[in-house]
Amino acid sequence: DSGVTQTPKHLITATGQRVTLRCSPRSGDLSVYWYQQSLDQGLQFLIQYYNGEERAKGNILERFSAQQFPDLHSELNLSSLELGDSALYFCASSVEGRDSYEQYFGPGTRLTVT
Amino acid sequence: GQSLEQPSEVTAVEGAIVQINCTYQTSGFYGLSWYQQHDGGAPTFLSYNALDGLEETGRFSSFLSRSDSYGYLLLQELQMKDSASYFCAVRGLNSGGGADGLTFGKGTHLIIQP
Repeated sequence: DSGVTQTPKHLITATGQRVTLRCSPRSGDLSVYWYQQSLDQGLQFLIQYYNGEERAKGNILERFSAQQFPDLHSELNLSSLELGDSALYFCASSVEGRDSYEQYFGPGTRLTVT
Repeated sequence: GQSLEQPSEVTAVEGAIVQINCTYQTSGFYGLSWYQQHDGGAPTFLSYNALDGLEETGRFSSFLSRSDSYGYLLLQELQMKDSASYFCAVRGLNSGGGADGLTFGKGTHLIIQP
């Protein structure tokens, strides 16, 4: 158990819909990262938040957005969903700074868009 | 940007030693990390190299040569539970000059045969 929690574990929705994925980082970790894993694209970095502020942005679509709240939990919002958005979405957390190469991943949310 | 190359699949025998290679291209370099992922599970951190040389952690070792943009993960005394996918990852620089999220290779599926 990494100490990172994600909800829900599974999500099935229709094209065009909007969903919100939730993540709680390990106690004490200020950085939260979101990753998308699919068979064709592999594991891709989406976005990072550090202590409530956006720190780095990767291959995140404009239809996707995220935020980190004062209690450090984070939410990833996916809108106008397409079939290609079906994937496993991971949240990870780390202590920023020297140890930031070591990220702790949550169990993931499996999103299926039908 | 960043890109990493690693073999898609490696097969080895229980009790043997296996090496998984990784070559990378990155603008800015914060070190090479290795992660393990079992089917349906979350990536878990294995090791990290910031400087050239070998890092040993139990049965696992990781090597880095920054001049060759190359690293490898060495697994000794292979056990059936080591059957998993192994990812190398780098954390480069984003456009703002700060550290980026992890860029992962496509992963190496390690098959252990009895």
